[in-house]
Amino acid sequence: QQQVKQSPQSLIVQKGGISIINCAYENTAFDYFPWYQQFPGKGPALLIAIRPDVSEKKEGRFTISFNKSAKQFSLHIMDSQPGDSATYFCAARLTFGEGTQLTVNP
Amino acid sequence: DTAVSQTPKYLVTQMGNDKSIKCEQNLGHDTMYWYKQDSKKFLKIMFSYNNKELIINETVPNRFSPKSPDKAHLNLHINSLELGDSAVYFCASSPIAGEDTQYFGPGTRLTVL
Repeated sequence: QQQVKQSPQSLIVQKGGISIINCAYENTAFDYFPWYQQFPGKGPALLIAIRPDVSEKKEGRFTISFNKSAKQFSLHIMDSQPGDSATYFCAARLTFGEGTQLTVNP
Repeated sequence: DTAVSQTPKYLVTQMGNDKSIKCEQNLGHDTMYWYKQDSKKFLKIMFSYNNKELIINETVPNRFSPKSPDKAHLNLHINSLELGDSAVYFCASSPIAGEDTQYFGPGTRLTVL
């Protein structure tokens, strides 16, 4: 079965710090790699996404780094804020990673 | 203004009962999905419909039956509910099957007693 492995499972960061979440996928046919953010009691919402023809995409404080040869991609949250505290999911097409619970302490 | 809506938001029922969850999207998308999120927050796709046609049917017990009366609606009917069916069920839609942003509904928390 296609898998997307995500790490870490949980992450605690101080306000202003950098949060880094990593994902690895298996199927080289995957061509769309989104990150979703989920707050308690809500559905996941797209945060940022990348296609394999670029190695990096930045939107505000959020950056995706993509390594096609290693079949890995990561989410970097710069200047992390308490409001960023949520669960983050990477995905490759319709296959989701296990999720990372991010807590940003004030 | 709600893009993807689900009803009900909460569903509490006894084992063995049959229940349905409804989903509607007003985004004009061709593709709709059902996901199950378990207690560990793991999201797993169950079904996908494209223009009312079933295109993805993951390994899901046949007690679960999706129905799409039109491309804006995708309902989920569950027969003979079991304790292990307790989870949050999310409906989602996207413009293109599997290749684009998915827009998720608010979820339906199903509790089977």
